[in-house]
Amino acid sequence: SQQGEEDPQALSIQEGENATMNCSYKTSINNLQWYRQNSGRGLVHLILIRSNEREKHSGRLRVTLDTSKKSSSLLITASRAADTASYFCAANNDMRFGAGTRLTVKP
Amino acid sequence: GAVVSQHPSRVICKSGTSVKIECRSLDFQATTMFWYRQFPKKSLMLMATSNEGSKATYEQGVEKDKFLINHASLTLSTLTVTSAHPEDSSFYICSARRDRGAYEQYFGPGTRLTVT
Repeated sequence: SQQGEEDPQALSIQEGENATMNCSYKTSINNLQWYRQNSGRGLVHLILIRSNEREKHSGRLRVTLDTSKKSSSLLITASRAADTASYFCAANNDMRFGAGTRLTVKP
Repeated sequence: GAVVSQHPSRVICKSGTSVKIECRSLDFQATTMFWYRQFPKKSLMLMATSNEGSKATYEQGVEKDKFLINHASLTLSTLTVTSAHPEDSSFYICSARRDRGAYEQYFGPGTRLTVT
């Protein structure tokens, strides 16, 4: 299984701070995706990074990929209370998700 | 954008009855749809993958006779929970992919099932 595993499991920060969460996977990949889930809702696709990319930006999101370590990180800069959600990664076509990182941004 | 809807959003049923949940891709054709269940504060658990016009592929441990999946068209997949029990109470989420070569999934808003 290429299931991504996120850490930390939970992260609590103050509004305005940056939040960093990590994802590790087991085998070689073509791409890795990050998703967000607000409580009681479906997942929303945030960003996809390909195996030949090392870093990708989308607004306040920055994703890095280190294929040698089989890991990726998602950085949310200048966090807002609305960023409070669970974040998941998924590798390639594997539709299995890890436990996710529950981010709480306190106003 | 790509929108996926689910119906109903919430359903309460009695033990022993069956419940059907619909998943529709509203503005694109989905060759593949996925069904997940999620317990409170837990991750999504993939139940099955359904391809249009063929039988669903179930994950290990998921009873295919209990969770019937039908993907009759490129825009509709249904999940029927048969003879529901209280332990089937959960949040069920579907997702859709445009074509087999695509990676991005579009998720429905989920269906909260409560079995009394």
